[in-house]
Amino acid sequence: NAGVMQNPRHLVRRRGQEARLRCSPMKGHSHVYWYRQLPEEGLKFMVYLQKENIIDESGMPKERFSAEFPKEGPSILRIQQVVRGDSAAYFCASSPTGNEAFFGQGTRLTVV
Amino acid sequence: QKEVEQNSGPLSVPEGAIASLNCTYSDRGSQSFFWYRQYSGKSPELIMSIYSNGDKEDGRFTAQLNKASQYVSLLIRDSQPSDSATYLCAVNSPPAAGNKLTFGGGTRVLVKP
Repeated sequence: NAGVMQNPRHLVRRRGQEARLRCSPMKGHSHVYWYRQLPEEGLKFMVYLQKENIIDESGMPKERFSAEFPKEGPSILRIQQVVRGDSAAYFCASSPTGNEAFFGQGTRLTVV
Repeated sequence: QKEVEQNSGPLSVPEGAIASLNCTYSDRGSQSFFWYRQYSGKSPELIMSIYSNGDKEDGRFTAQLNKASQYVSLLIRDSQPSDSATYLCAVNSPPAAGNKLTFGGGTRVLVKP
């Protein structure tokens, strides 16, 4: 059973471009969380999704950020018009029940 | 008040000793509690989960939960240099509050040979 798969592992974007981060949960997992982590800091909750539904997006910036988890395919975190402050590691975690969550390897986003 | 609080450390522990980590949380209705280990530059790894008051042991790790006092702790026995990492406490909010998984800032543990 493959773990949580995130791609790309590293992403470089110029200021103003769009960044699209993908997360394929573990088989049988219908709950997905996205977190952002700056160097030497903790995990900041961004959004919690179940299939086709956003359950809690209280950690998402109001502008430029969006997330989806369609019926088919991976969950997508989209950042439009990236700025240098968006540079961070973005982690996705999946859960079968909304309790124990398992993390992917993360996407390191660098905005230049 | 932060939802989940941990001492940031570093917690320096001699090899072979017990490392004791603490975590407090603010939502009294929380039901599920987890400890994750994160090595530098890597993703968090789930090492313990606990749902009821008392102790839960798994190998060299023991998680302790006290819902009345709203704290959860992690003991690492016979600490090894390979245990040097940041340990993250995570708390699941009650279903009525959205089931959100919230993390503390983490405690950095340094095990010295």
